[in-house]
Amino acid sequence: GENVEQHPSTLSVQEGDSAVIKCTYSDSASNYFPWYKQELGKGPQLIIDIRSNVGEKKDQRIAVTLNKTAKHFSLHITETQPEDSAVYFCATGTYKYIFGTGTRLKVLA
Amino acid sequence: NAGVTQTPKFQVLKTGQSMTLQCAQDMNHEYMSWYRQDPGMGLRLIHYSVGAGITDQGEVPNGYNVSRSTTEDFPLRLLSAAPSQTSVYFCASSWTEGPGELFFGEGSRLTVL
Repeated sequence: GENVEQHPSTLSVQEGDSAVIKCTYSDSASNYFPWYKQELGKGPQLIIDIRSNVGEKKDQRIAVTLNKTAKHFSLHITETQPEDSAVYFCATGTYKYIFGTGTRLKVLA
Repeated sequence: NAGVTQTPKFQVLKTGQSMTLQCAQDMNHEYMSWYRQDPGMGLRLIHYSVGAGITDQGEVPNGYNVSRSTTEDFPLRLLSAAPSQTSVYFCASSWTEGPGELFFGEGSRLTVL
């Protein structure tokens, strides 16, 4: 079945620096790749997504890139702020969404 | 809009007891699903439904039952709780027209002793 690997599991950056989280997937038929942010005690919330007909998508300080040939996609956060500290999950799928194992991002002030 | 509402937020059970986690959404979403979240394991799909009367299994369905009698509600039943079912459970809903944003509830923390 589909498998999603996410790295790193933890990431600490200085405020203002960039953070990159990478996911690889196994099913070449996958065509939807969302990223979710989970704050402490809350449910995950979609922050950005990309579909397989585009290679990159940006929304202010957040961007996602997709490499379908290599079967990986990445989340890029620029100019990190303390409020970016959270757990981030990648995912893929249609009805049966498969999530990565999560990355705990800590932004140090 | 309340979005996705889960109850209870916390529950402690003894091994062998049964219980139902409730999930309700007011967005008229056809797709609803249940995930469990364990440390280091991410979110794993238990069961999902693409509409009233239709349910299907996810990655980890054993020990859990679901039904979908209305568009709004999607309860998750544990018939005989086991310590391995100690977890945080999330309900999520979405439009069913292809892949799209999942809207999650706040979660239900279950401890089985």
